[in-house]
Amino acid sequence: QSVLTQPPSASGTPGQRVIISCSGSSSNIGGNTVNWHQQLPGTAPKLLINSNNQRPSGVPDRFSGSKSGTSASLAISGLQSEDEADYYCAAWDDSLKGWVFGGGTKLTVL
Amino acid sequence: QVQLQQSGPGLVKPSQTLSLTCAISGDSVSNNNAAWNWIRQSPSRGLEWLGRTYYRSKWYSVYAVSVKSRITIKPDTSKNQFSLQLNSVTPDDTAVYYCARGPSALTSWGQGTLVTVSS
Repeated sequence: QSVLTQPPSASGTPGQRVIISCSGSSSNIGGNTVNWHQQLPGTAPKLLINSNNQRPSGVPDRFSGSKSGTSASLAISGLQSEDEADYYCAAWDDSLKGWVFGGGTKLTVL
Repeated sequence: QVQLQQSGPGLVKPSQTLSLTCAISGDSVSNNNAAWNWIRQSPSRGLEWLGRTYYRSKWYSVYAVSVKSRITIKPDTSKNQFSLQLNSVTPDDTAVYYCARGPSALTSWGQGTLVTVSS
């Protein structure tokens, strides 16, 4: 049972915009920034968004993040076939004193 | 660019100790602004943070409550790497183990090591 809650799956057609949600509590998302990771099949997670809405160098601007209260979301616009992956939200938890993650959302490009 | 290279056995017997190492290039394990983490991933547990070590004038290691009694994470400054030891493993510890650089985001990850606990 993951501390952060994500929908298990999402899908869209090429060119569409997809939004993935992440829900937490005051001890994690409510008090700290949210990061998003992309995990392609058979590879390690890769940082996609940090500090709620910042893209590391090399991440396309099709990816964007936002946060409001104890929830966050990842938006992917202009969906491409190579975006098919698992997406995880992550935040520091002040009560648990460690990183907590969502259960992951498997994105399918139809 | 920080790169993390993991090494260690992929098979551990029940009740024995799991040991993994993460070699750092492009950064220093003693960097006052970094934190060095171990995370594991399994179908049953998802992504689970295990702990981290970091240097802030002295060394600190902090651990997840779920493994606190069995885990040690420590730096090796002579080799610029850090290690994970997990004692008394059971089949429930079977997972892909990752090292990652923090502290405010997990910015770089190792390649992952599948560790199977089986006799």
